[in-house]
Amino acid sequence: QSVLTQPPSASGTPGQRVTVSCSGSSSNIGNNVVNWYQHLPGTAPRLLIYSNNQRPSGVPDRFSVSKSGTSASLAISGLQSEDEADYYCAAWDDSLHGVVFGGGTKLTVL
Amino acid sequence: EVQLLESGGGLVQPGGSLRLSCAASGFTFSNYAMSWVRQAPGKGLQWVSSISAGADSTYFADSVKGRFTISRDSSRNTLYLQTNSLRVEDTAVYYCSKSRDTNGWSLPDSWGQGTLVTVSS
Repeated sequence: QSVLTQPPSASGTPGQRVTVSCSGSSSNIGNNVVNWYQHLPGTAPRLLIYSNNQRPSGVPDRFSVSKSGTSASLAISGLQSEDEADYYCAAWDDSLHGVVFGGGTKLTVL
Repeated sequence: EVQLLESGGGLVQPGGSLRLSCAASGFTFSNYAMSWVRQAPGKGLQWVSSISAGADSTYFADSVKGRFTISRDSSRNTLYLQTNSLRVEDTAVYYCSKSRDTNGWSLPDSWGQGTLVTVSS
């Protein structure tokens, strides 16, 4: 059972817009920044979004986030086949004194 | 370019020990906090431990507290994870990661390819 709650799966067709939610609490998302990662099995995870809404260089602006209270959401617009991967949210938790991850959302591009 | 290269994984019996290493390059190692994150087979990412840039603060997941130790050697640009009293449930790919700033509570921004630890009799 992950501290941050994500839907286990999401899907969309090429060109569509898909969102992935991440629900936490006041000790993590509610009080700290959220990062989002993209992970293909067998490879190094990739940072998509940091400090709530900043994109590292090389990450297309098709990826955006929103945050409200104790929840955050990743949106992917203009879905492409290369976006098929696992997506994770993460935040520091003040009560657990550690980093907490969501359980991950497997995105399928139909 | 940030490069993180993990090593030290392998097959170990329950109760055994392994020391994982992560050789860092492409950035000023002593300026950034570092972390270990693992992924068990078929499971999601799980944070294991973090260490501040100056090694004055360390943090551990409850599942490994008292069994794992994190350390760093800035003269060698290397991060370590000493894993003791290993359990079957510690079986995972262990990723080394660099954080965005000096604090142990900062989140990862770059990751290595991982090293596989298998705990089995």
